[in-house]
Amino acid sequence: EDQVTQSPEALRLQEGESSSLNCSYTVSGLRGLFWYRQDPGKGPEFLFTLYSAGEEKEKERLKATLTKKESFLHITAPKPEDSATYLCAVQAANYGQNFVFGPGTRLSVLP
Amino acid sequence: EAQVTQNPRYLITVTGKKLTVTCSQNMNHEYMSWYRQDPGLGLRQIYYSMNVEVTDKGDVPEGYKVSRKEKRNFPLILESPSPNQTSLYFCASSQGLTPGELFFGEGSRLTVL
Repeated sequence: EDQVTQSPEALRLQEGESSSLNCSYTVSGLRGLFWYRQDPGKGPEFLFTLYSAGEEKEKERLKATLTKKESFLHITAPKPEDSATYLCAVQAANYGQNFVFGPGTRLSVLP
Repeated sequence: EAQVTQNPRYLITVTGKKLTVTCSQNMNHEYMSWYRQDPGLGLRQIYYSMNVEVTDKGDVPEGYKVSRKEKRNFPLILESPSPNQTSLYFCASSQGLTPGELFFGEGSRLTVL
């Protein structure tokens, strides 16, 4: 069965304390892996798409990487405004245009 | 401004009273989808539409209906709501055939008493 899991479920960091979030997936024929940010009471907002193992994408303090079985979202020197829930989603060959989302990691960055 | 608009944003209703949550996008996207988000379960797909008059079930379609008569609109219909449909609902759209980012609406929080 295709699955997407994320760890940790919640993460508390001090401002400036770098860390990584994990997204593990088991799907056949990955077409794309996506990272989203979700603020409380809002819809998810797109961050990155990764298509193949070895690929990396960066945006400000965030860097996403992809291997054959997992993706990492590295957060360097986070600020309080980075506090949010981070979701990953996969799109597989047999899903058509559909996505399977992981449960998310709730990140809190304390000043 | 490119956006996905959902209405209503908040709704409290009673069991069995039919309701419709509207969704409209202004990006000329072919693909539209409905998700529900529940604590600990993440986002689960209810229905999706690849184009006008083309709809299909997602992972949790029971108790829901959709229609796609126009490209920009994709309403979610709850014919006879039940308390287990209390949830946060999101509409999303995407450009088309190749893997692409989803654009989400702001969400509709539904409570069924």
